[in-house]
Amino acid sequence: DTGVSQNPRHKITKRGQNVTFRCDPISEHNRLYWYRQTLGQGPEFLTYFQNEAQLEKSRLLSDRFSAERPKGSFSTLEIQRTEQGDSAMYLCASSRGRQGGTEAFFGQGTRLTVV
Amino acid sequence: QQQVKQSPQSLIVQKGGIPIINCAYENTAFDYFPWYQQFPGKGPALLIAIRPDVSEKKEGRFTISFNKSAKQFSLHIMDSQPGDSATYFCAASRTTDKLIFGTGTRLQVFP
Repeated sequence: DTGVSQNPRHKITKRGQNVTFRCDPISEHNRLYWYRQTLGQGPEFLTYFQNEAQLEKSRLLSDRFSAERPKGSFSTLEIQRTEQGDSAMYLCASSRGRQGGTEAFFGQGTRLTVV
Repeated sequence: QQQVKQSPQSLIVQKGGIPIINCAYENTAFDYFPWYQQFPGKGPALLIAIRPDVSEKKEGRFTISFNKSAKQFSLHIMDSQPGDSATYFCAASRTTDKLIFGTGTRLQVFP
C-alpha cells in the first residue's frame, strides 16, 4: 500500500497522559499536514511541514502539542497532559508540494479518546 | 475571510437523483478548490478539484461548477447510487497551502 499510513488507528488514554501518533506520508511527497476533526465537523488545520521544516502552526496547536518530522520522512504528533477536549480524529495528509502538485491525500486517521 | 461555508448540512435523494452541494468562500487569494468524500471511520478521499480558470470540471459522475465572480462552487453527483452515501466536504486553499474545509454535507441515497 503506497498511501498515507497512520498509527495507531485508535487510542484510548486517561486524562493527563501523553500520547504520540505517527504518520508515514506517500514516499515522494515533501509536504505533510496534520489536521484534527471532531464529530460532525470538517478537518481543521493544525500544522504542516515542507520536508523537515515546520512552516506553520495553527492557533489550535496549544503548547501541549508538538509535531516533528525528522529527516523529512515520517512525522509524529505528541499531545502532552491530554484533556477530554483533545478527543478527536487526528488526520495526516501529504502532497508533492509547489513543484509537483497540490493534491493532498489523507490517511485513515488516529481516533483519540481521552477518558 | 478564511471561512468556507457549505450547504446543505444534510441531503436525502433517491437513487438516480442529482444531489447538489454548494460552497462559498471569501478569500480571493484561494486558487484551488477540492472536494473530498468521507465514509464513517475513514479519512477524507479526494474526489475532484478545480482551479478558478475554468467554470466546470467533470470526472465520471462528479461535476464541479465554479463561479468566480460570486465566489461560489458546487458539486453535482449524476445518477447517484446508494454507495455514494457519505459525508462530502468542500475545501479551498492557495496552491500547496493548508486546506480550509467546509462543515460537510451528509448525503444519503436511498434505493
